[in-house]
Amino acid sequence: GESVGLHLPTLSVQEGDNSIINCAYSNSASDYFIWYKQESGKGPQFIIDIRSNMDKRQGQRVTVLLNKTVKHLSLQIAATQPGDSAVYFCAENEGGSNYKLTFGKGTLLTVNP
Amino acid sequence: EPEVTQTPSHQVTQMGQEVILRCVPISNHLYFYWYRQILGQKVEFLVSFYNNEISEKSEIFDDQFSVERPDGSNFTLKIRSTKLEDSAMYFCASSGDRGNTQYFGPGTRLTVL
Repeated sequence: GESVGLHLPTLSVQEGDNSIINCAYSNSASDYFIWYKQESGKGPQFIIDIRSNMDKRQGQRVTVLLNKTVKHLSLQIAATQPGDSAVYFCAENEGGSNYKLTFGKGTLLTVNP
Repeated sequence: EPEVTQTPSHQVTQMGQEVILRCVPISNHLYFYWYRQILGQKVEFLVSFYNNEISEKSEIFDDQFSVERPDGSNFTLKIRSTKLEDSAMYFCASSGDRGNTQYFGPGTRLTVL
C-alpha cells in the first residue's frame, strides 16, 4: 500500500520562465488524459485535456504533450506567474466501460517572484 | 460559469457516527462521482453514478458507503459508521458524458475523532 505522507516531486521556477511538469502513466489502455491544478484547501481545477489520438494540444499559456510510446505526459506552462503555484496532477481514464479517473501523485510547482 | 458545489465545507464527527456529504453537480451533467484525498496523498476514485445507479466503484467503496440522488439536483455520499481512517477531503465531480472532463467541487473536509 501507499506510505503516509507522500513526498511530492517539486519544481521551483522564476516568474516569467516556462515550466514543464512531467507525468508517467502505467495503463497502456488509457485513452483520455487530463491535467488538474490543485491549490491548497481546494478541489482539483481542470486545466487541459488530450485524447490518445493526439500528441499535442494547446490552451491559453498551457500545452500538453502525449507520448504513447513511452507512456509519458507533460504540461508546459508559458511565462509562469505566481498564481500558477499549486500542485499539478495528471489523471487518466481507460475509456470503454471505465468511468474513473486515476490520478498521479502530483508535482508541487513554486513560482518565485 | 457553472460549478459543482459541496456542503458542508468541514464536517467533524465521532467514530461510529453516520455522515452525509452533499453535492450539487453542474445542472446539465449526467455522470456523477465521489473521490477522496487523504492528507498529503493522491486523489482516489470512490464511485461513479449514472442513470440512478452505481456504474463503477473502487475497493474503498465498501458496504459502509452509499450514494443517492434524492432529487434532480443533489448527489449525496453517506458513510454509515465512520472510522478514523475515513478522515479525508471528499470531492464530488460531474461530467456531461462518460469520456468527458470531470469538474470537481471544492471538497468537504471530514474529520473523524
